[in-house]
Amino acid sequence: AQSVAQPEDQVNVAEGNPLTVKCTYSVSGNPYLFWYVQYPNRGLQFLLKYITGDNLVKGSYGFEAEFNKSQTSFHLKKPSALVSDSALYFCAVRDLRNTGGFKTIFGAGTRLFVKA
Amino acid sequence: NAGVTQTPKFQVLKTGQSMTLQCAQDMNHNSMYWYRQDPGMGLRLIYYSASEGTTDKGEVPNGYNVSRLNKREFSLRLESAAPSQTSVYFCASSDGASKSDTQYFGPGTRLTVL
Repeated sequence: AQSVAQPEDQVNVAEGNPLTVKCTYSVSGNPYLFWYVQYPNRGLQFLLKYITGDNLVKGSYGFEAEFNKSQTSFHLKKPSALVSDSALYFCAVRDLRNTGGFKTIFGAGTRLFVKA
Repeated sequence: NAGVTQTPKFQVLKTGQSMTLQCAQDMNHNSMYWYRQDPGMGLRLIYYSASEGTTDKGEVPNGYNVSRLNKREFSLRLESAAPSQTSVYFCASSDGASKSDTQYFGPGTRLTVL
């Protein structure tokens, strides 16, 4: 089954410290993985994606994610957190089972709270 | 470019009432999607349209209908609203040409059914 899990409902980190938001996935075949961010009262915005190649993917706002095939993980990271990074983060995997379009399966979301 | 726009932003309905949520995109995208967002459940796909003229059910289609009016517009209709449909609804679009394409989201419609 195609699925994605975000094991933490909330992550708390102090400003200036590194942050990690965890994501694990289950897919058949090669995974297409995404991270999106949602600020309050807004729609989701794309951060980064992994398709193939380098396991470390760099994205918007200084975020990066590390793809680990053996652990089936795609954790989101940032070396130094900002208060403005506080938001809801979604991991997602492309559902490749159907041929009638490219659906995406989203995790439940992790709320990141960065304290000044 | 406005990107993906949705109307209305907020709506309160009584049980049994009907309404249509409107969505439009100006990015010439082929694929469009409707999701609902509920606390602790992430986004769940209601319906999607891979290309103009086609629509398919997603994970939670019951109680909803959709129309892909043209390439730009994709509407979601609630024929007889129920309290369980209280949610935030997001429309999204993507190029649809590859497995790696990115989705672009509208600002959402917050719907309350009393």
